[in-house]
Amino acid sequence: AQSVAQPEDQVNVAEGNPLTVKCTYSVSGNPYLFWYVQYPNRGLQFLLKYITGDNLVKGSYGFEAEFNKSQTSFHLKKPSALVSDSALYFCAVRDTGGYNKLIFGAGTRLAVHP
Amino acid sequence: SQTIHQWPATLVQPVGSPLSLECTVEGTSNPNLYWYRQAAGRGLQLLFYSVGIGQISSEVPQNLSASRPQDRQFILSSKKLLLSDSGFYLCASYQGGGNSPLHFGNGTRLTVT
Repeated sequence: AQSVAQPEDQVNVAEGNPLTVKCTYSVSGNPYLFWYVQYPNRGLQFLLKYITGDNLVKGSYGFEAEFNKSQTSFHLKKPSALVSDSALYFCAVRDTGGYNKLIFGAGTRLAVHP
Repeated sequence: SQTIHQWPATLVQPVGSPLSLECTVEGTSNPNLYWYRQAAGRGLQLLFYSVGIGQISSEVPQNLSASRPQDRQFILSSKKLLLSDSGFYLCASYQGGGNSPLHFGNGTRLTVT
């Protein structure tokens, strides 16, 4: 069965420090992977995607993600965290059953402290 | 670019009452449309998706139904709400090449009392 795991419910980081939000996936074939961010009482905003090509993907707001096929991981990173990055982050994989459905992880709450 | 409108933004309904949530999409045509539910501020569960007018696929058995009367309109309904129907309902749209992301509306927070 296809799935996405985000092993950390919450990540705490000091402003200015690098951050990592972890994601692992299970899917048959080549994965299409996505990261989204959600602010309180809002919809999800797209950050970045991996389809093919370079394992390091750059996205919006200074975020990047590293695809690692052998570890089936797609961790979200940022070199220097901002307080405004505090939000709920979701990793997702495209369902191989078609129709461009996405399967989401449970989400990780990022808290950046001043 | 696509814009997804959802209304109402918040809704409080008693158990047993009917429900109708509406989603409309601008800036695209013939999109795939999706209803997701987010419980307790965390994970998202796909409820329904639609690839065209009148075409609805259900992902999980439940008390809800969906309809797509027009190309860019997607409606989530219930005849009788349950307490367990409470949650944050998100409409999403997909249109374009195979590598495009889903775009989401701002959601409707439903509280069933």
